[in-house]
Amino acid sequence: SQQGEEDPQALSIQEGENATMNCSYKTSINNLQWYRQNSGRGLVHLILIRSNEREKHSGRLRVTLDTSKKSSSLLITASRAADTASYFCATAAPGGNNRLAFGKGNQVVVIP
Amino acid sequence: GAGVSQSPSNKVTEKGKDVELRCDPISGHTALYWYRQRLGQGLEFLIYFQGNSAPDKSGLPSDRFSAERTGESVSTLTIQRTQQEDSAVYLCASSLNGDTQYFGPGTRLTVL
Repeated sequence: SQQGEEDPQALSIQEGENATMNCSYKTSINNLQWYRQNSGRGLVHLILIRSNEREKHSGRLRVTLDTSKKSSSLLITASRAADTASYFCATAAPGGNNRLAFGKGNQVVVIP
Repeated sequence: GAGVSQSPSNKVTEKGKDVELRCDPISGHTALYWYRQRLGQGLEFLIYFQGNSAPDKSGLPSDRFSAERTGESVSTLTIQRTQQEDSAVYLCASSLNGDTQYFGPGTRLTVL
């Protein structure tokens, strides 16, 4: 089954710097989504990119999708202390019920 | 409007006991998902409800797990004869269009 998998690194950056995270997956997708999780509880949806899209922006977020490489990246520009969280990518398969396959997450710490 | 709510927020139980977890989706959302998140891991899909269709139970890890949904509203996830490996955060999500999923705050289950 498909699975989003982030680079399993923890990022520690200074406020104002950019943060980049990568995600790879294994099979065909309908869309790929990025979520943020604070303190190990509820997830907040950040952005959805469809399989026929290559790049998408939302505020300080920029997501790219390369279906030939089965990979995606999330860029957070001008980071803030409030961006400190775990970030997950999740993929939805074509057809079916849009059940999401999540990666293990990428911990980001923004130092004020 | 109100988001997805879950109760209880925390549940501590003894091994062998049954537990019931509740999810109230966003009003009007026809799709409802349950996921499980073990410590330091991504989310694992458990079960999916869509309207009056038969649920997709393919993610349930054992027959000790079951879930019900009343129409397009409340859902309960029941774990019978809990085991220590059931300890996790159980997250519920609802969706209107099958794309973006809106997550509740989760129930942290601890089995002693």
